Amino acid sequence: QSALTQTASVSGSPGQSITISCSGTRSDVGGYNVVSWYQQHPGKAPKLIIYEDTKRPSGVSNRFSGSKSGSTASLTISGLQAEDEADYHCCAYAGSRFRLFGGGTRLIVL
Amino acid sequence: EVLLLESGGDLIQPGGSLRLSCAASGFDFSAFPMSWVRQAPGKGLEWLSSVSGGGGNMYYAESVRDRFTISRDNSKNKLYLQMVTLRADDTAIYFCAKDYCSGTSCVNDFWGQGTLVTVSS
Repeated sequence: QSALTQTASVSGSPGQSITISCSGTRSDVGGYNVVSWYQQHPGKAPKLIIYEDTKRPSGVSNRFSGSKSGSTASLTISGLQAEDEADYHCCAYAGSRFRLFGGGTRLIVL
Repeated sequence: EVLLLESGGDLIQPGGSLRLSCAASGFDFSAFPMSWVRQAPGKGLEWLSSVSGGGGNMYYAESVRDRFTISRDNSKNKLYLQMVTLRADDTAIYFCAKDYCSGTSCVNDFWGQGTLVTVSS
């Protein structure tokens, strides 16, 4: 399977809201498969920030929210802060432990 | 505190073999599935393999199914990835990650810092 499709980069100013999209097919994002999102700062390990399309793990800011419509999942970050500058990866779970990642989106805070 | 520490990454020639290790602490290791995920330079993440808590069930991505073997030693709280017939496109940072599985999906809720594997002559 091909990786899920993400825009290479997005940018926003502090305080603004941005949305990162993740597109797939009916067999991954658009099916009954759930999507998660990971934040990765340069040189660091990924961090889970959204799971099961919309849920936030304990300790993750409520400025991060997830949604899904059809074959596209989205991550919205509101009240953008400098510390949000990072790479964001979407991931669709396809059953039997198999998961498919997107190519990642670089968020630049202007 | 959950800690995952990978080791074993190295510069290896094409066709060579390598075994990665991941030492886990801070949680009941045998109760959770574990995974390996890699990231090629400048690229996105790629899930490679997962193993059940007891070690009896293994799952692989098609890209590595015939060359990589995942295993675990619950008595030592360690996860392993045996890699053979390595190729240049296996060059990547390899992450060990703890799985959290609900009724509908599995995600990786904790990650190690990764170990670098470079395949080059």
